Amino acid sequence: QQQVKQSPQSLIVQKGGISIINCAYENTAFDYFPWYQQFPGKGPALLIAIRPDVSEKKEGRFTISFNKSAKQFSLHIMDSQPGDSATYFCAARNTGGFKTIFGAGTRLFVKA
Amino acid sequence: NAGVTQTPKFQVLKTGQSMTLQCAQDMNHEYMSWYRQDPGMGLRLIHYSVGAGITDQGEVPNGYNVSRSTTEDFPLRLLSAAPSQTSVYFCASSYRGPSEGYTFGSGTRLTVV
Repeated sequence: QQQVKQSPQSLIVQKGGISIINCAYENTAFDYFPWYQQFPGKGPALLIAIRPDVSEKKEGRFTISFNKSAKQFSLHIMDSQPGDSATYFCAARNTGGFKTIFGAGTRLFVKA
Repeated sequence: NAGVTQTPKFQVLKTGQSMTLQCAQDMNHEYMSWYRQDPGMGLRLIHYSVGAGITDQGEVPNGYNVSRSTTEDFPLRLLSAAPSQTSVYFCASSYRGPSEGYTFGSGTRLTVV
């Protein structure tokens, strides 16, 4: 039972374009929503995260938009670069911080 | 170097064999978790721990055991390996806090034949 649904599975974007990855969750007991970036052969690394009392968070070219009523959140990568080519995972952590559930991942390829 | 250390990096097992995947962190993190990563399925939580002596099951615990006798170590035991356990295994840790993300190890690629 996937509690965090992520789309699309794969994404191809031109250099300089905007990459958008979407996630939806079912459990209202989640209180922390991180995004992780993973390069081939490496472990995931925390990229950016948001808490549900905020609708948007921006760090450099990366922005999370959060819609609490729709139970959806998304990652926007502005001015996408070939070095951004990686797999991106959204995640949700339940209140109390005991469990983090991940989406299925999105493979992003940025064409030079 | 501070971080999460996983050993071994690669392992081939025969069906029915048992083994332990090691995970150690030197950041004094309370939370530790084990995930498996399979194509198209993301990272699925196997077991997690909120502190020494405290463990609980995640989404896919069957066939795996864990223990947490110290804050630093969180080994994952495969009791009787099956081909369905072929996967990449990641250990992760974090501080206890409202806005703390995970630090992941570099993974163990396990093949069961």
